[in-house]
Amino acid sequence: EAQVTQNPRYLITVTGKKLTVTCSQNMNHEYMSWYRQDPGLGLRQIYYSMNVEVTDKGDVPEGYKVSRKEKRNFPLILESPSPNQTSLYFCASSLTTARETQYFGPGTRLLVL
Amino acid sequence: GENVEQHPSTLSVQEGDSAVIKCTYSDSASNYFPWYKQELGKGPQLIIDIRSNVGEKKDQRIAVTLNKTAKHFSLHITETQPEDSAVYFCAASIPGNNDMRFGAGTRLTVKP
Repeated sequence: EAQVTQNPRYLITVTGKKLTVTCSQNMNHEYMSWYRQDPGLGLRQIYYSMNVEVTDKGDVPEGYKVSRKEKRNFPLILESPSPNQTSLYFCASSLTTARETQYFGPGTRLLVL
Repeated sequence: GENVEQHPSTLSVQEGDSAVIKCTYSDSASNYFPWYKQELGKGPQLIIDIRSNVGEKKDQRIAVTLNKTAKHFSLHITETQPEDSAVYFCAASIPGNNDMRFGAGTRLTVKP
């Protein structure tokens, strides 16, 4: 089944404790992206990647890192999480660019205390 | 950069009625406009999209219209059903860019 998977689905952590949210797709997509969803703000793009070793900042990249060492994986790293990073995070992928159907993962709900 | 505004934030309709959600965008260079539906506990899913070389696109009960002069585009759902209840997001993208700007979302409730 074609899908985007994220882990963990739920995470409670404390300020300053490094964490990684994994994202994997099995569709051989080149484009992958991370979004955060907050009430009243919709979906805001954090980082995206056009292909292996090619990443770029989205609208709200501060406090986040990403890497794209393999085509299928695009982890989101929070080196020193803060409470304002409490949010619902989505990973998405598409065949080549953002300007075509993006397939979203099920989301990761993060609470930073 | 591009800014997308979406209205209304909540919309309640009776089953069988039509629903209209409107978005405006700021950058006249934008030329790709998708609509996503997010059901409770799930990730968004593309339901329809339109590119600036057309003014309207239909897919069964769903249609999207685009007015490039006014810089707005709208989602129209006819004969609404309870399963249409969800949060809907519009988005816009500029050619040559690989980012996507989303609206704040509209929570649609269809009452049986």
